[in-house]
Amino acid sequence: AQSVTQPDIHITVSEGASLELRCNYSYGATPYLFWYVQSPGQGLQLLLKYFSGDTLVQGIKGFEAEFKRSQSSFNLRKPSVHWSDAAEYFCAVDGVMNTGFQKLVFGTGTRLLVSP
Amino acid sequence: EAGVTQFPSHSVIEKGQTVTLRCDPISGHDNLYWYRRVMGKEIKFLLHFVKESKQDESGMPNNRFLAERTGGTYSTLKVQPAELEDSGVYFCASSQGGLAGPSSYNEQFFGPGTRLTVL
Repeated sequence: AQSVTQPDIHITVSEGASLELRCNYSYGATPYLFWYVQSPGQGLQLLLKYFSGDTLVQGIKGFEAEFKRSQSSFNLRKPSVHWSDAAEYFCAVDGVMNTGFQKLVFGTGTRLLVSP
Repeated sequence: EAGVTQFPSHSVIEKGQTVTLRCDPISGHDNLYWYRRVMGKEIKFLLHFVKESKQDESGMPNNRFLAERTGGTYSTLKVQPAELEDSGVYFCASSQGGLAGPSSYNEQFFGPGTRLTVL
């Protein structure tokens, strides 16, 4: 069965500092990988996704993620964090290749706090 | 264009009562999903509609949960009778129709969720 692990429940980063959120997945084939963000009172917003090809993917709001097959990882990065980035971040995998239909499997989320 | 909307935003009920959550997907989206997040845990898939038909309901916890999608538009998720362990945030998402593949993956757009508290 597919699973996603986000080992960090909370992370605090100073504004302007770099950020890396960790994500490891378990899946038998090449998965579709996603990062979502949830700001307070908002729904989950897709930051970026990886299907195939270039292992470094760019997303919205200045985020990027790197797929590393050998490590089963898909870590999210941002070079310089802004106070508005404070939110909860979810990594997800989708095994759609099996069924043709989507079925996202999420990690437990990482809450990002940004200090002045 | 309006996004996915959910009603109510919060619901507090007593154990044994019934609650109905509603989701209005983005207009024209054939796919509608329900997910749930129990506090401190991951967001878990509950079920998937394609238009008015249930494509996959493998994530529904038990028969106290009933989901419907009238006419392939809005969807409701009824919990009857509610138990303490049903507390959590219920998310709805929708995406355009068609099978998904590398060149045709349809992004799921999520609503803000309904926070359900069962006392």
